[in-house]
Amino acid sequence: DAMVIQNPRYQVTQFGKPVTLSCSQTLNHNVMYWYQQKSSQAPKLLFHYYDKDFNNEADTPDNFQSRRPNTSFCFLDIRSPGLGDAAMYLCATSRGIQGQGGAFFGQGTRLTVV
Amino acid sequence: QKEVEQNSGPLSVPEGAIASLNCTYSDRVSQSFFWYRQYSGKSPELIMSIYSNGDKEDGRFTAQLNKASQYVSLLIRDSQPSDSATYLCAVSSSGNTPLVFGKGTRLSVIA
Repeated sequence: DAMVIQNPRYQVTQFGKPVTLSCSQTLNHNVMYWYQQKSSQAPKLLFHYYDKDFNNEADTPDNFQSRRPNTSFCFLDIRSPGLGDAAMYLCATSRGIQGQGGAFFGQGTRLTVV
Repeated sequence: QKEVEQNSGPLSVPEGAIASLNCTYSDRVSQSFFWYRQYSGKSPELIMSIYSNGDKEDGRFTAQLNKASQYVSLLIRDSQPSDSATYLCAVSSSGNTPLVFGKGTRLSVIA
């Protein structure tokens, strides 16, 4: 089945130790998104790619970076995780930037910072 | 600032009742509207989309859109305990802007 897959499902990292989360999709969607979601809060958009065009939200900390080496894969790099970065990280894809047909989410990666 | 507002709840309904979830949005030229269901600890799952004024039905779910009032709702008929989840409203605004999510309404269906 076509889908969005995130790895790992759970990630524990040490304070300040770089960590990379990955996302792959078989939907062949143009747009890929990274959201951060903390408990009882709305998903917060960090950045998105329309094909290779990278769009960073104005309030996304510099500590967060992303790479999209090809259509299928997208990575979220957290250069120096702090305790406040513990959250669920959600990757999503959509055909167009306005979410045409809806955005489809992966299972998420729950990040714990110790 | 484009905003999507939802009552955080919890909204408690008895099993078999109709659950009504509401959402308002600030961008008058918004074009696409989505409802997502999110179980605790899981990722959001798309359950309904609606693009034009009126009602759209899919099984036990009905989405209602009123662009003049900037209001979108989700009705769940014959609510089941398995419907207990947080329901997120998402709105696509004008131009090249991604979906904006509300904070979600937590629904609890009591058996």
